[in-house]
Amino acid sequence: QSVVSQPPSASGTPGQRVTISCSGTSSNIDNNYVSWYQQLPGTAPKLLIHRNDQRPSGVPDRFSASKSGTSASLAISGLRADDEADYFCAAWDDSLSGWVFGGGTKLTVL
Amino acid sequence: QVQLQESGPGLLKPSETLSLTCAVSGSSIRSYHYWGWIRQPPGKGLEWIESIYHSGSSSYNPSLKSRVAISIDMSKNQFSLKLSSVTVADTAVYYCARHTGALVSDPFDLWGQGTMVTVSS
Repeated sequence: QSVVSQPPSASGTPGQRVTISCSGTSSNIDNNYVSWYQQLPGTAPKLLIHRNDQRPSGVPDRFSASKSGTSASLAISGLRADDEADYFCAAWDDSLSGWVFGGGTKLTVL
Repeated sequence: QVQLQESGPGLLKPSETLSLTCAVSGSSIRSYHYWGWIRQPPGKGLEWIESIYHSGSSSYNPSLKSRVAISIDMSKNQFSLKLSSVTVADTAVYYCARHTGALVSDPFDLWGQGTMVTVSS
C-alpha cells in the first residue's frame, strides 16, 4: 500500500472537467512540493505539474493543480480522448528521506 | 535535445545481480541535476529506487538500500544501477530520469523510455 494514496480510477466525457485527488501525510505532501505525472499507455511518465501548481513549458493550461495541507488535486478541464492515461502524484518524504508516489489513477474518457 | 537511454539485460535468474546503465546525450552529466532510477512492476505504480549527483552524493529508497548501488561515470556521461539478489518481485520496467535541479527532492522532468527486466528461473 502506497504512503500516498489516489483513487484507482476516474472518468469523464469529452469536454468535462475531472479532478484526481492525492492524499498523503505531514512528512510528504504537507511539507514538500507535489508533482504530477501523466503516463500514456506504453510510454514513460511525463512531468505534468511541479512545485504544487506549476506547469512545465508545453503543458496545456487545461491541466491545473492545487495543494492544501496533506492533500493535493489535479484538475483537467476540457477533457479530450487523448487525456486517457494513468496519473501519478509524488512528493519527497522527509521521514523516509526518499520519493513517494501515489498508486496512480487510471483516467478513462467515456 | 537531452535524451536518456537505458541499457542492460532483459532477463535474469533469481539471486543474480541486475546492472543497468543510463546514457545521457545532449547534456553533460555534470550539469546541475540529480539523476535517478525509478521502476514500475507490470500493471502497478511507480517506485523510486535511488538518485545520484555528479559530486557522488546519493540517496536510496530505504526499502531497497541494502541491495542497491548507484554510480556515475563522467567520462562516459552515464550513470548506473546495481541491484543484488534479485527475486521475481524485482520484475519491472526500469526508468532512468533526470531531476529538475540539484536537489534530490526536485521532481523528475526527463525520463528514458524504460527497459523491461524480468526475473525468472
